[in-house]
Amino acid sequence: GAVVSQHPSWVICKSGTSVKIECRSLDFQATTMFWYRQFPKQSLMLMATSNEGSKATYEQGVEKDKFLINHASLTLSTLTVTSAHPEDSSFYICSAREGIGNTGELFFGEGSRLTVL
Amino acid sequence: QKEVEQNSGPLSVPEGAIASLNCTYSDRGSQSFFWYRQYSGKSPELIMSIYSNGDKEDGRFTAQLNKASQYVSLLIRDSQPSDSATYLCAVPLMDTGRRALTFGSGTRLQVQP
Repeated sequence: GAVVSQHPSWVICKSGTSVKIECRSLDFQATTMFWYRQFPKQSLMLMATSNEGSKATYEQGVEKDKFLINHASLTLSTLTVTSAHPEDSSFYICSAREGIGNTGELFFGEGSRLTVL
Repeated sequence: QKEVEQNSGPLSVPEGAIASLNCTYSDRGSQSFFWYRQYSGKSPELIMSIYSNGDKEDGRFTAQLNKASQYVSLLIRDSQPSDSATYLCAVPLMDTGRRALTFGSGTRLQVQP
């Protein structure tokens, strides 16, 4: 099956700094990738849809200036958490779907656990 | 009303028993349904997908879909301790052409040795 790779798998940073997380589709091209966030004992919440070559679409309540998304190529999307604060500590997971349409399997990266001190 | 609803559990079953996980969804137009398994600290992995009414079997797993009742379930036969995880039900977001999945809160399954 398709593979989505995410890096780094975990990161610890100081409050006020910025952190970049990369998401790559290794064996397929993904014009769209999705970024989710998961707090402990909660489900995955969609943060934004990353569109290759255009602006990301953010879900209601997600600050686009805080969570910067760049999708510069068909295989790479990045999420930058700017001026991170302890409440941003979470498990961030990217995903992508091979092919077009919205009925196929969604493949997930390994996730990136962010801890902001 | 949430788009996808699941009982959070935990659902505890003895080893070798059948585990039954249930999910209801609100969008009657949903056409595809997915069950993901998530181990603690890991990202979700796809267990089953189902698109038509009825049953779909894959090894020890059976997905059941009833579109009229807006209900989808996952049965795990001969449950093993390694099946202990959180099971997430997901359906595609239908509005504005978004192609992401929306997830239920998940049901935590505990298989007792």
